[in-house]
Amino acid sequence: DVKVTQSSRYLVKRTGEKVFLECVQDMDHENMFWYRQDPGLGLRLIYFSYDVKMKEKGDIPEGYSVSREKKERFSLILESASTNQTSMYLCASSTNRGLWTYGYTFGSGTRLTVV
Amino acid sequence: GEDVEQSLFLSVREGDSSVINCTYTDSSSTYLYWYKQEPGAGLQLLTYIFSNMDMKQDQRLTVLLNKKDKHLSLRIADTQTGDSAIYFCAESMNRDDKIIFGKGTRLHILP
Repeated sequence: DVKVTQSSRYLVKRTGEKVFLECVQDMDHENMFWYRQDPGLGLRLIYFSYDVKMKEKGDIPEGYSVSREKKERFSLILESASTNQTSMYLCASSTNRGLWTYGYTFGSGTRLTVV
Repeated sequence: GEDVEQSLFLSVREGDSSVINCTYTDSSSTYLYWYKQEPGAGLQLLTYIFSNMDMKQDQRLTVLLNKKDKHLSLRIADTQTGDSAIYFCAESMNRDDKIIFGKGTRLHILP
């Protein structure tokens, strides 16, 4: 069964902390995405990557960075966490190749609370 | 620019049909999707339709596409309590393009 795994379901961090959210996929997908989900705002794209060591800004990259050192792993980094970054964070992956699964495969999400 | 619009809430009685509507702005959209998000979980692909199709049926789910009006709908027949979730409409132009999501419709099932 194909999977996107996010390392934590729930996280509580203090304001100013550096926070790492990890996402791993086992489907050999080229493309990986980070979204945040807030009530009434839907999904907003933070960063995405189409290849190893490659990254592109999404719609709301401010306050975030990413790392993709290996194909299967895409990390989201909050350089200095703030309370307005309290949210549900969703990782997704996709492929352009013949085994395309029609759309994205999502992880279960990480609910981050910054206090 | 690209935009996907859907109402935020829908309440339906158990056993009735649910119809969730969506409009999109990009006439170049080739792939249209419905995703389901259950409480506390990520999104799961429910169904999809290509822009050259008008309708797709899969058990209790019927997707209707009106390309002229850029309108997509998802009908769930015989709605059950397990259908309670947020349903996201989404579009993309090509298989390797970013997917644009609507804000999601929260489906509430009344007893």
